[in-house]
Amino acid sequence: NAGVTQTPKFRILKIGQSMTLQCTQDMNHNYMYWYRQDPGMGLKLIYYSVGAGITDKGEVPNGYNVSRSTTEDFPLRLELAAPSQTSVYFCASSYTGGGGLYEQYFGPGTRLTVT
Amino acid sequence: KNQVEQSPQSLIILEGKNCTLQCNYTVSPFSNLRWYKQDTGRGPVSLTIMTFSENTKSNGRYTATLDADTKQSSLHITASQLSDSASYICVVSLLTNAGGTSYGKLTFGQGTILTVHP
Repeated sequence: NAGVTQTPKFRILKIGQSMTLQCTQDMNHNYMYWYRQDPGMGLKLIYYSVGAGITDKGEVPNGYNVSRSTTEDFPLRLELAAPSQTSVYFCASSYTGGGGLYEQYFGPGTRLTVT
Repeated sequence: KNQVEQSPQSLIILEGKNCTLQCNYTVSPFSNLRWYKQDTGRGPVSLTIMTFSENTKSNGRYTATLDADTKQSSLHITASQLSDSASYICVVSLLTNAGGTSYGKLTFGQGTILTVHP
């Protein structure tokens, strides 16, 4: 049982390049989330999904896209990378709504630098 | 605006000592409050979750308290260990209009960085 896994761990992008951050969970959780964490700031929700085929915007969705074709996978797409997207990205999952009493389990993070 | 403010920003203590971290929030309506521990280079890991009706909750050497009237919470760490060096994040959950809890509506504090020295 690996929990939540993310790849890659680190990535450097040039401005305007695109990439996909991968996230997989093996806990059969319905809910999955993408957060970004900037230095000295709290985590901000980018997108979330309540099940396969259903996604919705969080607090800071601009510049990102997501899809959820399976319960296990929730990739995050950056189409035109900008320096403002330099951050650490965390994927998380939970059995039900993250605001409830169910735990959110976080992946190890992807550190992205855009130059 | 819903906010979660933590203090101090950073703290250095000696191994074996106790410490208390503070969290003030303005999130309303309130559902539950969580404390997470985040080791350097890792994702956050949940320590405690408290509803508005709970005043205190313990997890080993970690004890969280909650005063929903004053909108304050604290995390007390006893007999600190080197492995306690981490960022501690206070997270507050919104309550939906329907009386349930809203997915994705977590507000994160900026964290307190704790360093434990031998």
